[in-house]
Amino acid sequence: DIQMTQSPSSVSASVGDRVTITCRASQGISWFAWYQQKPGKAPNLLIYDASSLQSGVPSRFSGSGSGTDFTLTISSLQTEDFATYYCQQANSFPLTFGGGTKVEIK
Amino acid sequence: EVQLVESGGGLVKPGGSLRLSCAASGFTFSSYSINWVRQAPGKGLEWVSSISSSGSYIYYADLVKGRFTISRDNAKNSLYLQMNSLRAEDTAVYYCARHRTGTYYFDYWGQGTLVTVSS
Repeated sequence: DIQMTQSPSSVSASVGDRVTITCRASQGISWFAWYQQKPGKAPNLLIYDASSLQSGVPSRFSGSGSGTDFTLTISSLQTEDFATYYCQQANSFPLTFGGGTKVEIK
Repeated sequence: EVQLVESGGGLVKPGGSLRLSCAASGFTFSSYSINWVRQAPGKGLEWVSSISSSGSYIYYADLVKGRFTISRDNAKNSLYLQMNSLRAEDTAVYYCARHRTGTYYFDYWGQGTLVTVSS
C-alpha cells in the first residue's frame, strides 16, 4: 500500500498569510490530489494531477510537486479557508489519504 | 446538479449488519465508478470500497474485505454497501463519492450517513 504523510498536522495562521502544506508518498506516484474539508461537511476536491485546479476553486490555491513530494499553497489565506486539508494518492488501490492538516486561526 | 444522498445509517450492535444506500441524480450514473469513503469521529478519511460503472470491477480496503459488499443498480441510480460483522472500529460517517472520469479522484461527495457500532 502507498502511505501518504502530511505535515504539519496543524498550522495557525492569520488572514492574508501564505500557507504551505506538504505531503509525501511512500513511493513515486503520478496521480495526486488535495481536498478541503470544513467541519460537518463532506470533503471538496481542490486540486488534481498535483497542480490542476478543480473548477470553481479560487486561484489563491495552487499545487506543485511530483514523484513522492507534493505541496499545497494558499497564497493569501481567507476566512473561508480555515479548514482541514487532505492529500490523496490516486495511483492504485487501496486509495489512501494523508492524515490531514488543520489550518486554524492565529 | 450532481447529487449523492446517503441513507441507512444508524446504531447497531457489534456483530450486527446494516445496509447503506446512496441515491444519485444530476448525472449519468451508469457511466461513473462510485466509492464509499468513511471518516471515524475526529479522524481522517479512509477509502472503503469502489465499484466500476458496470459493476465488473470491485475493490475493498483490507479492513472490510470479507465483511462488506458493495453493489449498484444502474436502473435505479443507486449504490449500496452491505455491512456485516460490524465492529466498534467501523463507527464512522460513510460518504459515497464519485470518481472523476478516467481517474481515481473523488469529484463529488454526498453529505454522509453516520454508522455507530455500540452495545
